[in-house]
Amino acid sequence: ELKVEQNPLFLSMQEGKNYTIYCNYSTTSDRLYWYRQDPGKSLESLFVLLSNGAVKQEGRLMASLDTKARLSTLHITAAVHDLSATYFCAPGISSDKLIFGTGTRLQVFP
Amino acid sequence: EPEVTQTPSHQVTQMGQEVILRCVPISNHLYFYWYRQILGQKVEFLVSFYNNEISEKSEIFDDQFSVERPDGSNFTLKIRSTKLEDSAMYFCASRKNMGGSEQYFGPGTRLTVT
Repeated sequence: ELKVEQNPLFLSMQEGKNYTIYCNYSTTSDRLYWYRQDPGKSLESLFVLLSNGAVKQEGRLMASLDTKARLSTLHITAAVHDLSATYFCAPGISSDKLIFGTGTRLQVFP
Repeated sequence: EPEVTQTPSHQVTQMGQEVILRCVPISNHLYFYWYRQILGQKVEFLVSFYNNEISEKSEIFDDQFSVERPDGSNFTLKIRSTKLEDSAMYFCASRKNMGGSEQYFGPGTRLTVT
């Protein structure tokens, strides 16, 4: 059974600081997705990583994928309050169902 | 911009009752999914659907659950006899094709079983 672990589970960080969220998964997958969820809302797609070594950046967020290590990272640069949300990683397997990680709840404070 | 829609946004039902949750996927998408999220927990896969049949289902998706695409636009999830533990947010998702395209999620239906 595929296990997906994210750390940290909770992250409280000051505006302007940098931090990295880690996503480890237990079985082979050559693609990985990052989603954002605001409280009480749906899931918004952030990144689709489709190959080993893939790196994508959007604004203050950058995601990378190492399929050999079964590791993806989501790096936050110079955090702002608007980034406060829960972030989920999800490897895609078989019928491309998404197996979501535990989520990282990010809170950015002034 | 096309989006996945779901109705109702909130459904309250009594234990043992049947509920049908409705979704309208993005019109040119071919693959459809249901996920659920119990409050404060992670999102869990329920079922995937393609070409009018189930592609894959999880252990959660037991005999009480069924899915249907009754026409060219709707995609429904039926729970035959709801239990308290079925209370959750249910998300429908669709994607255009396989091979790594994004799954687009609907706004969700909050199901409360009393």
